[in-house]
Amino acid sequence: DIQMTQSPSSLSASVGDRVTITCRASQSISSNLNWYQQKPGKAPKLLIYAASSLQSGVPSRFSGSGSGTDFTLTISSLQPEDIATYYCQQIYSTLWTFGQGTKVEVK
Amino acid sequence: QVTLKESGPVLVKPTETLTLTCSVSGFSLSIARMGVSWIRQPPGKALEWLAHIFSNDEKSYSTSLKSRLTISKDTSKSQVVLTMTNMDPVDTATYYCARFDDSYGAGYFDYWGQGTLVTVSS
Repeated sequence: DIQMTQSPSSLSASVGDRVTITCRASQSISSNLNWYQQKPGKAPKLLIYAASSLQSGVPSRFSGSGSGTDFTLTISSLQPEDIATYYCQQIYSTLWTFGQGTKVEVK
Repeated sequence: QVTLKESGPVLVKPTETLTLTCSVSGFSLSIARMGVSWIRQPPGKALEWLAHIFSNDEKSYSTSLKSRLTISKDTSKSQVVLTMTNMDPVDTATYYCARFDDSYGAGYFDYWGQGTLVTVSS
């Protein structure tokens, strides 16, 4: 199975900061990478698909990049409502896997 | 509007079989390039994909849980059912069903159910 490793596991940033989360795949997955946001007690929400495409309705401060094995989710200006855990997910193989999550907190 | 809703027992005993139902509306389980997955999340832990059923009835299972899982669908009832045998306390988790849309060649889970917490305890 393809393993997905996210870093950091958690981070604390101030409102307005630029936040970057990375996700590394154990083998090349081309651009078959999605990002989800999960707030406490809620189901995950799709943010980015195909590594860099913004899902409809998602604020433009979210962006994704990367291909192959290394990917990045960026929040250009952190807002209080962005406090959540973020997960990457590969769909390169039909044995889909998620990263372990990155918890984002506000200082 | 697309919705998914999980239902099933909130408490199961060790060694029992868990049966969960995902009732969907707003789309058909027979539409090409659409499917439904089950995903779980133990308390305070990460998401874990379990199983998927495609519109053509093809199925896919997590390697580590394959021997214990069965996924099926009843298109006429708009339901997807997951069974997991030999339940253990480590299987305590919130279980989600989610729609997978591969219509544009870039698949993703675009709609999720609210999740159902299943506790395994004697």
